[in-house]
Amino acid sequence: GIQVEQSPPDLILQEGANSTLRCNFSDSVNNLQWFHQNPWGQLINLFYIPSGTKQNGRLSATTVATERYSLLYISSSQTTDSGVYFCAVEDNAGKSTFGDGTTLTVKP
Amino acid sequence: EAGVAQSPRYKIIEKRQSVAFWCNPISGHATLYWYQQILGQGPKLLIQFQNNGVVDDSQLPKDRFSAERLKGVDSTLKIQPAKLEDSAVYLCASSLGTGSTLSGNTIYFGEGSWLTVV
Repeated sequence: GIQVEQSPPDLILQEGANSTLRCNFSDSVNNLQWFHQNPWGQLINLFYIPSGTKQNGRLSATTVATERYSLLYISSSQTTDSGVYFCAVEDNAGKSTFGDGTTLTVKP
Repeated sequence: EAGVAQSPRYKIIEKRQSVAFWCNPISGHATLYWYQQILGQGPKLLIQFQNNGVVDDSQLPKDRFSAERLKGVDSTLKIQPAKLEDSAVYLCASSLGTGSTLSGNTIYFGEGSWLTVV
């Protein structure tokens, strides 16, 4: 199946800093989504982005499907941004695979 | 709007015992998912229902795991007998539409059921 690699595995920021999270995948995908899991375990869908660029407030995401990667940008980070960010892809057979996530800690 | 409800929130059992988890999806959502999340890893899809039919259960260990969706609404996930490696969070999710897990339908997750097998 498709391999999904996320980097960096851990990231510590000071409040107000910007960051870029990366998701590489090993084969062509039909779909790609970014999720945020807060420190209490709740998973929230951030973006559905199989290609192109989307923005939602301080967050934006870009997927370059031909080069098999996606980037999640967080600007002016806040302590509430802390948690684990997951990239999930779906292959041509409809099977979904999550990466192992990037754990973000934003310090006040 | 009420979210996805799961119970119990926490469960500790001995190996070889059985356990059942319950999920009540958001009202009107056709698709229901069960994921297993082991500490430090991303969620892994165990089974996906569309109404009360199974769409994908390719990663469900069928020798010990079973799941059903009653009348296309609530769902239960059972493990019998449990093994140490089943220790994980079991996440239930639902989405309004049908189709694949990541087809653009917003997926809403419950808070999860934390299982420890000792």
